Amino acid sequence: DAEITQSPRHKITETGRQVTLACHQTWNHNNMFWYRQDLGHGLRLIHYSYGVHDTNKGEVSDGYSVSRSNTEDLPLTLESAASSQTSVYFCASSTGTENTEAFFGQGTRLTVV
Amino acid sequence: EDKVVQSPLSLVVHEGDTVTLNCSYEVTNFRSLLWYKQEKKAPTFLFMLTSSGIEKKSGRLSSILDKKELFSILNITATQTGDSAVYLCAVVGYGDYKLSFGAGTTVTVRA
Repeated sequence: DAEITQSPRHKITETGRQVTLACHQTWNHNNMFWYRQDLGHGLRLIHYSYGVHDTNKGEVSDGYSVSRSNTEDLPLTLESAASSQTSVYFCASSTGTENTEAFFGQGTRLTVV
Repeated sequence: EDKVVQSPLSLVVHEGDTVTLNCSYEVTNFRSLLWYKQEKKAPTFLFMLTSSGIEKKSGRLSSILDKKELFSILNITATQTGDSAVYLCAVVGYGDYKLSFGAGTTVTVRA
């Protein structure tokens, strides 16, 4: 079955380190998204991509970057991890046709100490 | 910037009760509104609404959209403990694909 997978599922890192979270989907979806979820804020958009080599900033993009070198993957990089980036991160994808839902990965819980 | 406000933020009900969740929105060139259910992990899709007044229904869950007043409601009838979750509302603008989410409503159903 097609799916979307995130890795790692849990990570603890130190302040100042570079961290990369992986997202891989096998649906051949054009659109991929990264969200973070914090108590009281719902899901906030970090970065998104509508195709290979396309990347766009979301509402909370500072301190994060993404690259899209193929259809299947959208890795999220924290350039220099900060305690404020402790959160649960969700990757999602959608087809790129109108009126279709987005499918979510299982999430990565990141703790910055 | 798109704005989505959900209410209430949380509620506690007993099994068998009916629950009504609200979602109001402001979005440039509205295209669709989506409801998701989140139980400790990945949000799972419930409904997509694009037209006013047309109820979407799945079992004990139903939802309707009012594009004039810019809101949607999600109803859960005869609630069960398995309905305990965070319910998320999101909107998508026309010509776009990214979802803008509200803060969610936490529903707790007690036996």
